[in-house]
Amino acid sequence: SYVLSQPPSVSVAPGKTARITCGGNNIGSKSVHWYQQKPGQAPLLVIFSDSDRPSGIPERFSGSNSGNTATLTIGRVEVGDEADYYCQVWDSSGGPVVFGGGTKLTVL
Amino acid sequence: EVQLVESGGGLIQPGGSLRVSCAASGFTVSNNYMSWVRQAPGKGLEWISVIYSGGGTYYADSVKGRFTISRDTSNNSLYLQMNRLRAEDTAVYYCARGMTPLGATFYFDYWGQGTLVTVSS
Repeated sequence: SYVLSQPPSVSVAPGKTARITCGGNNIGSKSVHWYQQKPGQAPLLVIFSDSDRPSGIPERFSGSNSGNTATLTIGRVEVGDEADYYCQVWDSSGGPVVFGGGTKLTVL
Repeated sequence: EVQLVESGGGLIQPGGSLRVSCAASGFTVSNNYMSWVRQAPGKGLEWISVIYSGGGTYYADSVKGRFTISRDTSNNSLYLQMNRLRAEDTAVYYCARGMTPLGATFYFDYWGQGTLVTVSS
């Protein structure tokens, strides 16, 4: 089955740019989606189809996908962005849905 | 407004059975792909099942043969029947609405708040 790899943690200072990666074999050929999950809350979709933002998600959130790595970029990071972030793809060859292991974003 | 509200979680002994429910509003469950995703304490998200708009179902290997996903059009709800429960099934269970633009991908645009299932003696 398809495997997605994320760094366990990323730290960034307020106002700076955070980049969270999601690695997978030829992931650039798939559509990647990203979720934000704050403690005690359900996941929230922040990026779908590599780089599209749902209504209500700030423009500071952006995504890219090429080769073996997809990236979620959060510009001008705020304390309120501190959360776990998960990437996800649809793998038609195995189980339909695959999640990465998640990355904890810490805003220092 | 789209809403998903799970219920039915609780403490259950190993080997037991439990059914969790997800009441939907603001859209029609049977017209969408609906999934269950779980999260063990302190762990990441694990997709476990989907029911397609056409009625087909699919399960993760970890629950195949033990869990059954279903829906009820009369009360616009999604269900997960869990049998032969194990300690490792302890998790918060979320229902989520799936989106499949052009059938080329699949993601979740709405999630419920989750219901906790604890399997322990």
